Amino acid sequence: EVQVVESGGGLIQPGRSLRLSCTGSGFKFGDYAMSWVRQAPGKGLERVGFIRSKAYGGTTDYAASVKGRFTISRDDSNSVAYLELNSLKTDDTAVYFCTRAIRSGTNWFYFDHWGQGTMVTVSS
Amino acid sequence: QSVLTQPPSVSGAPGQRVTISCTGSSSNIGAGYDVHWYQHLPGTAPKLLISFNTNRPSGVPDRFSGSRSGTSASLAITGLQAEDEADYYCQSYDSSLSGSVFGGGTKLTVL
Repeated sequence: EVQVVESGGGLIQPGRSLRLSCTGSGFKFGDYAMSWVRQAPGKGLERVGFIRSKAYGGTTDYAASVKGRFTISRDDSNSVAYLELNSLKTDDTAVYFCTRAIRSGTNWFYFDHWGQGTMVTVSS
Repeated sequence: QSVLTQPPSVSGAPGQRVTISCTGSSSNIGAGYDVHWYQHLPGTAPKLLISFNTNRPSGVPDRFSGSRSGTSASLAITGLQAEDEADYYCQSYDSSLSGSVFGGGTKLTVL
């Protein structure tokens, strides 16, 4: 059974950094792109970014709202994807979901398996 | 405000049929980009409901169906059940934004 599990959320002060982890199981992790999507309280889903598989260069892409502040990386040997959140703002408060990503076009993916999410609260 | 517009809410009685629209423009759905749909019960993991406009992943009941035409897409749910009460999101690609986008979401209430 395919599973994706996030961890690492919590309460963090504005301007600080946090690293989220996403562990995949039940599939060959290195063969897939992985993605992060977030949902702010009372709001809808918002893409954060993705990392392609090593076969496609392991390159990353980010939403404009987080570009330059957030970094996605992966450790295929341990089936883990990471989301590093830097220079956090109160607007970054959200549940962060990790997803397995399937190619839908040249530069984008859809999400066939999701984790339950980890809450990040940015507040002083 | 998303570039993909969904009604904030829809409702229906058990057994009825409801549709949820996802209206875009010439830079997304109208440009031929595919549409995917997700179901999300708050507090749980979102679930892929429809991929590539019309395809149901294994395990998704055939009560759920998708369509795409012009600059819009729709999700139809027939034989409404209480367990269908959830938030529904469409997703596509927008060339102006150079990235995938979600619709604003639609809350389905089963009366």
